[in-house]
Amino acid sequence: QQPVQSPQAVILREGEDAVINCSSSKALYSVHWYRQKHGEAPVFLMILLKGGEQKGHDKISASFNEKKQQSSLYLTASQLSYSGTYFCGTEGTLHAGGTSYGKLTFGQGTILTVHP
Amino acid sequence: DSGVTQTPKHLITATGQRVTLRCSPRSGDLSVYWYQQSLDQGLQFLIQYYNGEERAKGNILERFSAQQFPDLHSELNLSSLELGDSALYFCASSASGSGDEQYFGPGTRLTVT
Repeated sequence: QQPVQSPQAVILREGEDAVINCSSSKALYSVHWYRQKHGEAPVFLMILLKGGEQKGHDKISASFNEKKQQSSLYLTASQLSYSGTYFCGTEGTLHAGGTSYGKLTFGQGTILTVHP
Repeated sequence: DSGVTQTPKHLITATGQRVTLRCSPRSGDLSVYWYQQSLDQGLQFLIQYYNGEERAKGNILERFSAQQFPDLHSELNLSSLELGDSALYFCASSASGSGDEQYFGPGTRLTVT
């Protein structure tokens, strides 16, 4: 099932902060965050793994609540270059505690616009 | 530049035709993923290969097939094309699979007329 992202869109002025949320109805092994600009490929931002490991860019922070199957992406001191559509991709766990081999189910996206 | 290459960049073809999209993963990556992105369906996982073997399947139509070759490049074959197949097709690669960040190629924009 597709994870649900909120809000659907955010408009900011440079320097303002934003939080984008991602919620899943199934148990998760990992949550991935991507930013996509119009007509371009999604760009990897962050991956959060069950158990607490995180990998990603230094200037991006995120959290993963394994019990609630929720993740949040924190964008602070926004810049014009932050504009784009943000997607979370979730990787579920198999019943035996294994993984789904990297298969990602993406949310519908959050459109972030940063104005000068 | 993610290091993943895809060809061609654009493809325009007629209904009923067959096309092949090609992807070369980042150096050292063993997993290749194919995604379809359309306005109404968003970003949809199609299929994953790991070191030449199919590992996971998503919402891939029977008219679509893929394979990964010994040199690890992958091809996505789309046949009996319909108007609704018009979309951006992305290939992504990762080191192994689960728990790895995926790096996306620039995509192939397919237009079926």
